[in-house]
Amino acid sequence: DTAVSQTPKYLVTQMGNDKSIKCEQNLGHDTMYWYKQDSKKFLKIMFSYNNKELIINETVPNRFSPKSPDKAHLNLHINSLELGDSAVYFCASSRGLAGDPTQYFGPGTRLTVL
Amino acid sequence: LAKTTQPISMDSYEGQEVNITCSHNNIATNDYITWYQQFPSQGPRFIIQGYKTKVTNEVASLFIPADRKSSTLSLPRVSLSDTAVYYCLVGDTNAGKSTFGDGTTLTVKP
Repeated sequence: DTAVSQTPKYLVTQMGNDKSIKCEQNLGHDTMYWYKQDSKKFLKIMFSYNNKELIINETVPNRFSPKSPDKAHLNLHINSLELGDSAVYFCASSRGLAGDPTQYFGPGTRLTVL
Repeated sequence: LAKTTQPISMDSYEGQEVNITCSHNNIATNDYITWYQQFPSQGPRFIIQGYKTKVTNEVASLFIPADRKSSTLSLPRVSLSDTAVYYCLVGDTNAGKSTFGDGTTLTVKP
């Protein structure tokens, strides 16, 4: 069984569209994260949720809205997609709070905005 | 919040030992140091974690000096399949945030 799963793996869309990425973890962890990895491989945290509550919200445009229906799921919805949103988005989870350095990552979703 | 600094890239040859250092001058008392490995088209994967001195597992060793302001990931006898990006992460289980380094791209050549 995959510990942290994301769908879809690839997402190609036009500028201005709205899209969602789903994430699920079956590890029983309390904290989930969304990271953005750009072409230079920098991993930047976007959001962190602990037991369905928002803990971290970095300087991310409000076009990005995370939603956590339960502590095993953290979905990412993006409105009005822009070219600069093209990147790989990783979901992760940890047992402890958002500072927990032991994080388990999903396989990533490669988003391409045309 | 501990900022981390790593070399951007390193080259090595098969069979050599590779040491990658991460600087974290502002590490907090309760912070642990964790290293991750990322292959192309995959998510980062946990390699090793330590608090001080030396930790060794089947994959790597982690050396942390007494002042804990840096850490060194040591990969013994690398192979081509060790070509990847290596990240260090400093954080505390009960803290609000942890910080990834910018990653070191290791290229192992035949």
